[in-house]
This record gives sequence, structure tokens and C-alpha cells, in this order.
Amino acid sequence: GQQLNQSPQSMFIQEGEDVSMNCTSSSIFNTWLWYKQDPGEGPVLLIALYKAGELTSNGRLTAQFGITRKDSFLNISASIPSDVGIYFCAGQRTSVSRLTFGEGTQLTVNP
Amino acid sequence: ETGVTQSPTHLIKTRGQQVTLRCSSQSGHNTVSWYQQALGQGPQFIFQYYREEENGRGNFPPRFSGLQFPNYSSELNVNALELDDSALYLCASSAGLDTGELFFGEGSRLTVL
Repeated sequence: GQQLNQSPQSMFIQEGEDVSMNCTSSSIFNTWLWYKQDPGEGPVLLIALYKAGELTSNGRLTAQFGITRKDSFLNISASIPSDVGIYFCAGQRTSVSRLTFGEGTQLTVNP
Repeated sequence: ETGVTQSPTHLIKTRGQQVTLRCSSQSGHNTVSWYQQALGQGPQFIFQYYREEENGRGNFPPRFSGLQFPNYSSELNVNALELDDSALYLCASSAGLDTGELFFGEGSRLTVL
């Protein structure tokens, strides 16, 4: 079963607002990744984090790899309607190929 | 450069039947992983294939099996379908065994009646 706790489950915001979501785990991961899934599509990689404490940006998105290696957060600044979708965190352990996904955060942006 | 393609996109089966889902990996990618995504859940790892061999398996019974072909395309087979097998099956390719940077297809939506 899932080992990652992702919150919040859903968010309803106004266009232009900033968004923050996070993911926690009871065990350590060596890589944290954030994916976005649009309806009828597969997940698309947004950001990958490889080092504890790392802060990485991709346009309006910023993600951090927690110091304990048990958590990560994703921030979206100045949200726009196309940010709507489901955001998933995923963790990976060294030498293990599989990703463990959170249950997702459903983001709705009102114009 | 072609992305990951999956077929069929939707299918309906009855309990006890068998199903085969197909996946073509992104060009240049030699590793294929399969994930099951139940409604409202995150994807769950089924297994991964590299050089035509299974390399890692999640918590799925043996009736879930797969193949990888020399051109890196892959199949997922599920025997003796159960109602709980209804889900979106996602194929993802990657440029190596250990990377978490996966490229997903659009998925095959399986409904078991």
C-alpha cells in the first residue's frame, strides 16, 4: 500500500494565488519527484530532487527535498487556470527502481 | 521523437477473463515500468523490465505477468481477472534502471464486470 502521506487532498484557489502542498513518509527516500496528471493523461514529471536540503525551481514551481529525507514540498506561485490537475509526489530509494506515489492533491483554480 | 504509446485505451472484460495491454517505449529508452492506478489513488508499481528481464516487482500476484521485446516494447498480461483489477494501467519508460524520471503513456483503462 501507499507509504507517502500527501496533503492537502484537494485545494480550491483563485487565479493568481500561491499554492503549497507537501508529502511526508515514515521512511527515507533518496530521490523525491513531483508529477502532474491531467484528466485522461499519464503523469508528467515536473521536478526531481536528488539531495537532502535541495531547493529546485522550474518556472513558477519550486520544490524542496527535506533535510530528514522523509518529506518534500511543492509550491506554485501565481497560479493560472492550466495549473488545474492532480499533483503527485513520489519517492525512490537508491538501487530500487520503483517509485512510491502519494495519493495526490487535486488542484482547482478559479479564474 | 515519439513518446510512450499504449493500447488499447479502453477495454471492458468480465471476471475470469484474461487481458493483454501493450506499450511502446519512448525512443532511446530501454526500461519499461508498469503501474496500476485505481480511481482516486496514486499509481502503484507492478513491475519493471530491462533487457527483456523482470527487474523488480511490487505487491501483485503472479497472475500479473509481463514481457519486454528486443525493441523495448512491453506487454502486461493479467489472468483470471477480478473486479478489483478495474483501474488505469500506466506504462512508463525511462533511460535506465535507476532513474525516477519516468515518461508515462496515457494509460489503458480496464473495466472488469
